[in-house]
Amino acid sequence: SQQGEEDPQALSIQEGENATMNCSYKTSINNLQWYRQNSGRGLVHLILIRSNEREKHSGRLRVTLDTSKKSSSLLITASRAADTASYFCATDAERYSTLTFGKGTMLLVSP
Amino acid sequence: EAQVTQNPRYLITVTGKKLTVTCSQNMNHEYMSWYRQDPGLGLRQIYYSMNVEVTDKGDVPEGYKVSRKEKRNFPLILESPSPNQTSLYFCASSLSTRTGGFSYEQYFGPGTRLTVT
Repeated sequence: SQQGEEDPQALSIQEGENATMNCSYKTSINNLQWYRQNSGRGLVHLILIRSNEREKHSGRLRVTLDTSKKSSSLLITASRAADTASYFCATDAERYSTLTFGKGTMLLVSP
Repeated sequence: EAQVTQNPRYLITVTGKKLTVTCSQNMNHEYMSWYRQDPGLGLRQIYYSMNVEVTDKGDVPEGYKVSRKEKRNFPLILESPSPNQTSLYFCASSLSTRTGGFSYEQYFGPGTRLTVT
């Protein structure tokens, strides 16, 4: 069953612009994670935010978490062509011992 | 180098012919998991293992088996593959969470693209 749902499904921007992706989930979480996947390859962990945190930064990435709205956003600033990938959120709500992934947002950054 | 390896990377097989996809990690992780990824459906968990000899079903376990006899290895077995198991498969590992939810990042293997005809 799907817990997180990313929005939009696809996003196309120019290099230098900011990209914002959103994730909504249904039930209470302990932690929320964001992953990146380059075409057909394994997922790479980007950032983890705990339920008692509201915002977290890592380089050009900024993640926010609003537990009252059950949503999170991933902001990539000053996008580069190399940021072209699919981005997934994952939560641990349904089963404490596992992560449930959303369907992802496909980001295309054009030079 | 810390990594999760999967073999084979590509496999084309026929319906009913038993196959095993191997997964190995060198990070001494307790937790390991198998996912399948299909267009429009995202990643769905097949099985996971919290530690040696401890396995549990994920969201889509039908048609699959796993075993965890050693900490580093977590093979995925398809006893009688069918065309609906054509998919991209990922193995992942992480430290095991005892409290506070799933609070460690997962390391993913490069994927195994399986086609069942």
